[in-house]
Amino acid sequence: QVQVVESGGGVVHPGGSLRLSCEVSGFKFNSYGMHWVRQAPGKGLDWVAFIRYDGSKEFYADSVKGRFTISRDNSKNTLSLQMNNLTTEDTAIYYCAKIFDTFCASTSCHDRDYWGQGTLVTVSS
Amino acid sequence: QSVLTQPPSASGTPGQRVTISCFGSNSNIGNNDLYWYQHLPGAAPKLLIYKSYYRPSGVPDRFSGSKSGTSGSLAISGLRSDDEADYYCATWDDDTLGGVFGTGTKVTVL
Repeated sequence: QVQVVESGGGVVHPGGSLRLSCEVSGFKFNSYGMHWVRQAPGKGLDWVAFIRYDGSKEFYADSVKGRFTISRDNSKNTLSLQMNNLTTEDTAIYYCAKIFDTFCASTSCHDRDYWGQGTLVTVSS
Repeated sequence: QSVLTQPPSASGTPGQRVTISCFGSNSNIGNNDLYWYQHLPGAAPKLLIYKSYYRPSGVPDRFSGSKSGTSGSLAISGLRSDDEADYYCATWDDDTLGGVFGTGTKVTVL
């Protein structure tokens, strides 16, 4: 049974930092690239960051580049998102997700998705 | 602001067919596979279509996807009340080197 569990959300002041974690079980975490996706209140899904299966390459949305860092520990089946210099625009539910992987040719990289239930980050003074 | 454009809303009566479009550009849809997700309030999004045309195991064949050039579409046939949800297209963008989601379409069953 696949489990994807995010943690670390909360309330933080503008300019503050937060570290999100995502613990995964039930699938071969070290075989797949992983994403962070967010949804601000009343808005649509917004892609945040992606890290390749082996952690060799990271990609970021322009809106978070230079402030957020995605990382993974394949020995612990854990994905992380370090968020610095937060602004009110970063207020959202943050999802950890195994979704599409443009760098992977294997069908299993594409034909199944795993999402957590999300963790709420609120940036407010 | 998303580079993938979807209509904000779509609707139909039970049993009807609804089609949702997704417009992009050469750097995203034109050069990469398209994915479609269903998002119900309070739940995690769910994959409906992968690599533009294919349904994951367990997704009913009422859902179908297509792609042509820089646009794609999701069709829902035999519309049901539990199809009421937000639907998003998504892909990779070779220019921005990042993922991108569509603006989202809210489907209402009348």
